[in-house]
Amino acid sequence: GAVVSQHPSRVICKSGTSVKIECRSLDFQATTMFWYRQFPKQSLMLMATSNEGSKATYEQGVEKDKFLINHASLTLSTLTVTSAHPEDSSFYICSASEGASWNSPLHFGNGTRLTVT
Amino acid sequence: AQKVTQAQTEISVVEKEDVTLDCVYETRDTTYYLFWYKQPPSGELVFLIRRNSFDEQNEISGRYSWNFQKSTSSFNFTITASQVVDSAVYFCALRGSGTYKYIFGTGTRLKVLA
Repeated sequence: GAVVSQHPSRVICKSGTSVKIECRSLDFQATTMFWYRQFPKQSLMLMATSNEGSKATYEQGVEKDKFLINHASLTLSTLTVTSAHPEDSSFYICSASEGASWNSPLHFGNGTRLTVT
Repeated sequence: AQKVTQAQTEISVVEKEDVTLDCVYETRDTTYYLFWYKQPPSGELVFLIRRNSFDEQNEISGRYSWNFQKSTSSFNFTITASQVVDSAVYFCALRGSGTYKYIFGTGTRLKVLA
């Protein structure tokens, strides 16, 4: 089946530094990828929709300058948490759409646990 | 507006008991998809089932079964003869017509005790 690889799975960084998380579709091309954030014991909240070759669409309340998303190719989207602070500590999950249709299957990565000290 | 409600925050059962996880959704779309995902402690989301709005047939897969009722906007998930490995957080999700967005419920944490 389709696989989405997310890297790293865990990262610890110091406050003020930036962290990049990669999301790759391994055996299919993903025109659209999504980034979710999950606080401990809470649900997944969509942060942004990433389209290959264009600017990401951010959900209300998500700072686009804080969470930089780049979708440079049909198999790779990156999320960069800039000038990270402890409140950015969270579990970040990406997903990728296997096809262009709205009802195409979505495949999720295994998530990245970010801890900012 | 679209919404998914999982009223049960946490459920504890003893191994071999049956357990039903409730999911109620709201949408104005006539075409939509409903999903269940399992999230074990390791964090990844494990896809369990996808159901489109025109298919109200109940489904059984091993110890898992799903009851979809449009009349009550519910898509409940039952685990029969639960096992310790079933312990996880289970999310119900809705995907409306013409959108890629998933609306997730708040999840139900299931603890199966040996």
